[in-house]
Amino acid sequence: GAGVSQSPSNKVTEKGKDVELRCDPISGHTALYWYRQSLGQGLEFLIYFQGNSAPDKSGLPSDRFSAERTGGSVSTLTIQRTQQEDSAVYLCASSENYGYTFGSGTRLTVV
Amino acid sequence: EDKVVQSPLSLVVHEGDTVTLNCSYEVTNFRSLLWYKQEKKAPTFLFMLTSSGIEKKSGRLSSILDKKELFSILNITATQTGDSAVYLCAPNTNAGKSTFGDGTTLTVKP
Repeated sequence: GAGVSQSPSNKVTEKGKDVELRCDPISGHTALYWYRQSLGQGLEFLIYFQGNSAPDKSGLPSDRFSAERTGGSVSTLTIQRTQQEDSAVYLCASSENYGYTFGSGTRLTVV
Repeated sequence: EDKVVQSPLSLVVHEGDTVTLNCSYEVTNFRSLLWYKQEKKAPTFLFMLTSSGIEKKSGRLSSILDKKELFSILNITATQTGDSAVYLCAPNTNAGKSTFGDGTTLTVKP
């Protein structure tokens, strides 16, 4: 596609429920990143996929968080048993050589 | 642990003013430094800097990198209200991963 597409754009969920966030990167971009941004804060790295290499999961804050990238394209970030501190904007970005192109993000609110 | 510090955290100026935003970093396996502008949701790419002392310019924006002192500056001249945004600095490593600073919030008043 023309840009990085994320869905849903907004998600309100009850504490303890699982959520799935989707990212459709720019076609042909081999690198895909997930970041999250809490209100008024900078971007916090979560996970990075590069081609067929094992993903860099060093930023995932707990084992409730997982992500996969199927067929080198679409990625899904899953948060299990959501907590209120998981509330944030989750941003996906893809890259080919340099400079990320970000999606518009998913605003997750855990109530 | 990689570290990025941006200053000031926030800045309020009037249209026509010139601003300088600072970014200092400590990053293992540094490859490049990128600047982004974030208005509503998604950051948008401004500059990529890889070499020291070479200024990159785009209209009223310019940026330069000092790899010896580990910092970069972003200058905006003749500011306009449309420049109001959060400006993010992000060193990038050889592995392709970026660490973002907390950003500088710039407000340009008419």
